[in-house]
Amino acid sequence: AQSVAQPEDQVNVAEGNPLTVKCTYSVSGNPYLFWYVQYPNRGLQFLLKYITGDNLVKGSYGFEAEFNKSQTSFHLKKPSALVSDSALYFCAVRDMGMYSGGGADGLTFGKGTHLIIQP
Amino acid sequence: DGGITQSPKYLFRKEGQNVTLSCEQNLNHDAMYWYRQDPGQGLRLIYYSQIVNDFQKGDIAEGYSVSREKKESFPLTVTSAQKNPTAFYLCASSISVVISGRSEQYFGPGTRLTVT
Repeated sequence: AQSVAQPEDQVNVAEGNPLTVKCTYSVSGNPYLFWYVQYPNRGLQFLLKYITGDNLVKGSYGFEAEFNKSQTSFHLKKPSALVSDSALYFCAVRDMGMYSGGGADGLTFGKGTHLIIQP
Repeated sequence: DGGITQSPKYLFRKEGQNVTLSCEQNLNHDAMYWYRQDPGQGLRLIYYSQIVNDFQKGDIAEGYSVSREKKESFPLTVTSAQKNPTAFYLCASSISVVISGRSEQYFGPGTRLTVT
């Protein structure tokens, strides 16, 4: 079974400071990892993903994430936070080994982290 | 919210009534999904479909039904058997069956269902 943990319900950061939103995962094989952002009463927007290759992944709106296999983590980062980054962030995982023959099962999502950027 | 539309945005129903939520995509995606979102619980998969006329149960399918008669449409019916139907429902799609394991999902704007 696959699972995702986002250990912080809320993260508070001052505008202009670097931000980190934490995510750890558990899969039996190798992971596909995703970050999404959700604004109030809206659907989720894709930010970035790790499939294979470089452990540092760059995505939309200046966000990046670092895949760390030994720590089974995929933390989301941004060097300088904006007030407009305030939203709910979800990490998601899929076990790569389940899809050698194709397939389209849903992602397993974490419970989400509220990111609040203070002016 | 890409090329996925969900209607209506807000829906109110009386307990005991079935209700159908619409999801349409113009992205030419093969795979489509329905998720339920409750506060503090993340997203949970209800049903998914890899191809027309085929669909599979997700983690919380009880009390829900779907159909996939057309590639672009994947309606979800919340039946009276669903014990706690009030929630935010999200539809998503991804590009193809073969590579959808590593492709991101695109989400619609969601439908907030309230049952009283």
